[in-house]
Amino acid sequence: AQSVSQHNHHVILSEAASLELGCNYSYGGTVNLFWYVQYPGQHLQLLLKYFSGDPLVKGIKGFEAEFIKSKFSFNLRKPSVQWSDTAEYFCAVTRGSGNTGKLIFGQGTTLQVKP
Amino acid sequence: GAGVSQSPSNKVTEKGKDVELRCDPISGHTALYWYRQSLGQGLEFLIYFQGNSAPDKSGLPSDRFSAERTGGSVSTLTIQRTQQEDSAVYLCASTPGGANTGELFFGEGSRLTVL
Repeated sequence: AQSVSQHNHHVILSEAASLELGCNYSYGGTVNLFWYVQYPGQHLQLLLKYFSGDPLVKGIKGFEAEFIKSKFSFNLRKPSVQWSDTAEYFCAVTRGSGNTGKLIFGQGTTLQVKP
Repeated sequence: GAGVSQSPSNKVTEKGKDVELRCDPISGHTALYWYRQSLGQGLEFLIYFQGNSAPDKSGLPSDRFSAERTGGSVSTLTIQRTQQEDSAVYLCASTPGGANTGELFFGEGSRLTVL
């Protein structure tokens, strides 16, 4: 079965530190990959997505992610975090061929940024 | 409203009672999803509706859970004979459908507490 793994459950960083959150998926076919973010008290929203083309994708608020097909990974990065990046981050995957629509999420990573 | 609307926002019920959770998707969105968010469990896929196609029910945890979508718009998630382990936030999301853009628009969720 298709699954998504996020290795870090809780990450604590100081402001200006660099961030990398891991995401691996198990599906062997063509996939579409996403990162969603949930700020405290808010609903989930899309941070960035990869469908095809350049494996390095850039999202909102300075976030980026790199798709490495050989490693089945889609890690999220940010060079310098801010206190306002404190949130829960979810990686998600759906099949790329056909319109299956079923988006499978990882367990989430809670990021706490200390001012 | 412009976003996905869910009701009730909070529901406290006694074990064994039935509950209904409602979702009003964004107007014109043909795809609708239900997820369950539990502490430490991430987002668990429950069910997915796409237009007039048969729903993908593969994520429903037991036959106590059911969902319907009337007229291609409003959806109701029903949990019969609730158990304490059903306590969670139930999230609804919609998307325009068609080409698989993957960007889900989430509601605020319905927090269910089973005593």
